[in-house]
Amino acid sequence: AQTVTQSQPEMSVQEAETVTLSCTYDTSENNYYLFWYKQPPSRQMILVIRQEAYKQQNATENRFSVNFQKAAKSFSLKISDSQLGDTAMYFCAFMKGNAGNMLTFGGGTRLMVKP
Amino acid sequence: NAGVMQNPRHLVRRRGQEARLRCSPMKGHSHVYWYRQLPEEGLKFMVYLQKENIIDESGMPKERFSAEFPKEGPSILRIQQVVRGDSAAYFCASSPYPFDNEQFFGPGTRLTVL
Repeated sequence: AQTVTQSQPEMSVQEAETVTLSCTYDTSENNYYLFWYKQPPSRQMILVIRQEAYKQQNATENRFSVNFQKAAKSFSLKISDSQLGDTAMYFCAFMKGNAGNMLTFGGGTRLMVKP
Repeated sequence: NAGVMQNPRHLVRRRGQEARLRCSPMKGHSHVYWYRQLPEEGLKFMVYLQKENIIDESGMPKERFSAEFPKEGPSILRIQQVVRGDSAAYFCASSPYPFDNEQFFGPGTRLTVL
């Protein structure tokens, strides 16, 4: 079974600064996908970024980027130029390589962006 | 293209009653997943369905919980004889698999058991 661990329950960052959220996972699979989801106070789950394990290049989406270290089983999320609207819970998630599988989520990191 | 729809958004039940949660996937999606989120926790997988088939129910409690996704109509998550521990947010997600593995989430149903 897969496990996903987010070791930072809460973090805060000043507006316009950069913050990194940590995520580690444990799996025996070689083919898998990793995701970061954002859950604002509305509770809607929003996909932030996705990484395929077979790709060595780190994924980037505008101000969001990941540092994927496959050997270390680490998948951190970097948010640059933090905005007030980034305030939310952030969940790291794992999916086995056969699409159609369920997501395994970490416990989440609550991020507060301060003005 | 409307997103994943869930209703009701909020549901209050007394202990022992039944709860029915509905999920309409995005147009063209035939794969549906149900997740449960307890307060201050991450989402936990419950069940994965395709039209008329349960593919994986490894996360479903053995008793009182059932799910279906009929040929016509929404997917239904049914909880019989609810207890206070069932109070949670229940999320549905749909996927355009096999074309993509992204799961698109609905807004969730918050179930409160009195």
